[in-house]
Amino acid sequence: DAGVIQSPRHEVTEMGQEVTLRCKPISGHDYLFWYRQTMMRGLELLIYFNNNVPIDDSGMPEDRFSAKMPNASFSTLKIQPSEPRDSAVYFCASSLQYYEQYFGPGTRLTVT
Amino acid sequence: AQSVTQPDIHITVSEGASLELRCNYSYGATPYLFWYVQSPGQGLQLLLKYFSGDTLVQGIKGFEAEFKRSQSSFNLRKPSVHWSDAAEYFCAVGARSNYQLIWGAGTKLIIKP
Repeated sequence: DAGVIQSPRHEVTEMGQEVTLRCKPISGHDYLFWYRQTMMRGLELLIYFNNNVPIDDSGMPEDRFSAKMPNASFSTLKIQPSEPRDSAVYFCASSLQYYEQYFGPGTRLTVT
Repeated sequence: AQSVTQPDIHITVSEGASLELRCNYSYGATPYLFWYVQSPGQGLQLLLKYFSGDTLVQGIKGFEAEFKRSQSSFNLRKPSVHWSDAAEYFCAVGARSNYQLIWGAGTKLIIKP
C-alpha cells in the first residue's frame, strides 16, 4: 500500500490567499484525521471524519478553516483567507476503527 | 480530564546505551496506548500499541513498552540505541468511547556519538 498521500508537500503563499491541502487515505480505512503541528502548540487535532462524514470539528481554529471529504479516497483542508499564524505542518492520518492511525508525510505551510 | 504527560522534553543518550522514555496518562478506565516516532521532516510512524492482554508489548525497530496500570504509565524502552533513533517520540492515549487520540507533547531524543 502507498500509505497516506498528501499534497503539496510544501506550500508558500501570501497572506489573504486561499490554500487547499489534499489527502488520500489508505484504501479501506474508514476514519480520516486532520492535524496541525507547531512548535508552540504541538500536535492538534483539527477535525476527523468517519465514512466521509465529519464527526468532530471542534479543533478547527476559525471559520477560515474548512474541510471536506467528498468520497472515501479524498479529503481537503482549506484555509481562506490565510494568515501568517496559520504557518505550520498539516498532517492527514487515516485508520481502520481502533485508533491505529497512519500518518501522511505532512504539508509544510508558510504564509508570508 | 484525560491527559498525557511526557515529562522529558529532551533526552540525550550515548549510542549503544539503553533508553527509557516516560509517559504517564490520566484516564478513568484502561485506555488504548500508543508510541509514535517522528524523524525530522517526516510524518509520525507507529512504533507500538497496547490494547489489552500482555502488558509488555514489542514494537518495530527494537522498541518495547510496558503498561503499568498502578502507575498509569506506558514507558518506552530500547536496550541499545543507534544514531538513527534520533527523533521525536510521542505517546498517545485513545479513549475507548471515541476515536480521538490524546497526545503527549513529545520527547526529543538526541544521540551522542
